[in-house]
Amino acid sequence: GAVVSQHPSWVICKSGTSVKIECRSLDFQATTMFWYRQFPKQSLMLMATSNEGSKATYEQGVEKDKFLINHASLTLSTLTVTSAHPEDSSFYICSARVGGTGQLNTEAFFGQGTRLTVV
Amino acid sequence: DAKTTQPPSMDCAEGRAANLPCNHSTISGNEYVYWYRQIHSQGPQYIIHGLKNNETNEMASLIITEDRKSSTLILPHATLRDTAVYYCIVRVYNQGGKLIFGQGTELSVKP
Repeated sequence: GAVVSQHPSWVICKSGTSVKIECRSLDFQATTMFWYRQFPKQSLMLMATSNEGSKATYEQGVEKDKFLINHASLTLSTLTVTSAHPEDSSFYICSARVGGTGQLNTEAFFGQGTRLTVV
Repeated sequence: DAKTTQPPSMDCAEGRAANLPCNHSTISGNEYVYWYRQIHSQGPQYIIHGLKNNETNEMASLIITEDRKSSTLILPHATLRDTAVYYCIVRVYNQGGKLIFGQGTELSVKP
């Protein structure tokens, strides 16, 4: 299957600082990427849908000013957690879908995830 | 959005077939059923997807009932490495085809 790479795999940061997580589709172009958050023992929660060249669409309850998403190219989307707090500590996972917006029967591939710990 | 219902956990003996059920009674005619699995502390792994016909690939088989209200993922010869949480997802037709994850089934393959 197609490869999606996240960087970094884990990061520790101090409260009040910002952290940027990168998501790259390595061998395909992704018009649409998705960002998820997962707390221990819970399922993945969709945070936002990232579209290349346009503003991200955030799910209800997700603060767009805190979780900044940029999708500047067809192979790269970034999530920046601004002014991080300990409650933002979580497993962040990105996903990229093969194919354009008109091809909804194609699979999405996931990155390996980024473990964020805010101290 | 179509919702799915899965048993929270299942056990399977190594070497035997693992049959994971999923109910999706509110699925629309143009919505696909996707299966992913997540091994601890990793990103989800794509397994298979289908619309109304049964599908098979090198990992698994997907059986969808004729009325499309339920499906079963079959791992023909489960191994210890198949221990994971399995998610059955009905893909949202609009909004870029996003995947909304339910609670999934925690499959434990035992020797």
